[in-house]
Amino acid sequence: EPEVTQTPSHQVTQMGQEVILRCVPISNHLYFYWYRQILGQKVEFLVSFYNNEISEKSEIFDDQFSVERPDGSNFTLKIRSTKLEDSAMYFCASGDIDITYGELFFGEGSRLTVL
Amino acid sequence: KNQVEQSPQSLIILEGKNCTLQCNYTVSPFSNLRWYKQDTGRGPVSLTIMTFSENTKSNGRYTATLDADTKQSSLHITASQLSDSASYICVVSAVQGGKLIFGQGTELSVKP
Repeated sequence: EPEVTQTPSHQVTQMGQEVILRCVPISNHLYFYWYRQILGQKVEFLVSFYNNEISEKSEIFDDQFSVERPDGSNFTLKIRSTKLEDSAMYFCASGDIDITYGELFFGEGSRLTVL
Repeated sequence: KNQVEQSPQSLIILEGKNCTLQCNYTVSPFSNLRWYKQDTGRGPVSLTIMTFSENTKSNGRYTATLDADTKQSSLHITASQLSDSASYICVVSAVQGGKLIFGQGTELSVKP
């Protein structure tokens, strides 16, 4: 069964360092998302991406964050200068139609620990 | 403000028993409501998705109900198994914006 894959599963970094989280969405999907979940809290929307551009972003997604689809398969989330409060589980998700109406498939997540 | 509230926050039941989880939402305009299962440290996995015109949907031992008038949903789990231990998250999609609004989840623990 097709699935969303994410790497790394866990990354530990020092505050101020750049981090890139990678995702391979399901191959025929067109809509891509990043969510994050701070330990013990709700899943929060970060950004949605469609047709090679950001379609929506949350207040959390400030200038320190960026997303890219560098080729036909990968979808990355970059955090330029990590802060302690960026420590969270980051989930990539994809869908074949707009999630307003369609199913959303999540990856297993990348746990980011900022020291 | 668009919000999704779930109850109870946590629940412990014995294996083989049934349980019902609740979800209230204030999202408007409403598009659909989803229930996800999230095992500890894993990504959410979809159980059901319902539009406003659907009032019940089943997926094996999971049955979700939706009352769009009162803006309430429930997830009923029948004959629980140890593997049902997880967080169950109610998620609502608004017609506009393309975002999903997540509840805080109900932590279910099934004991032998």
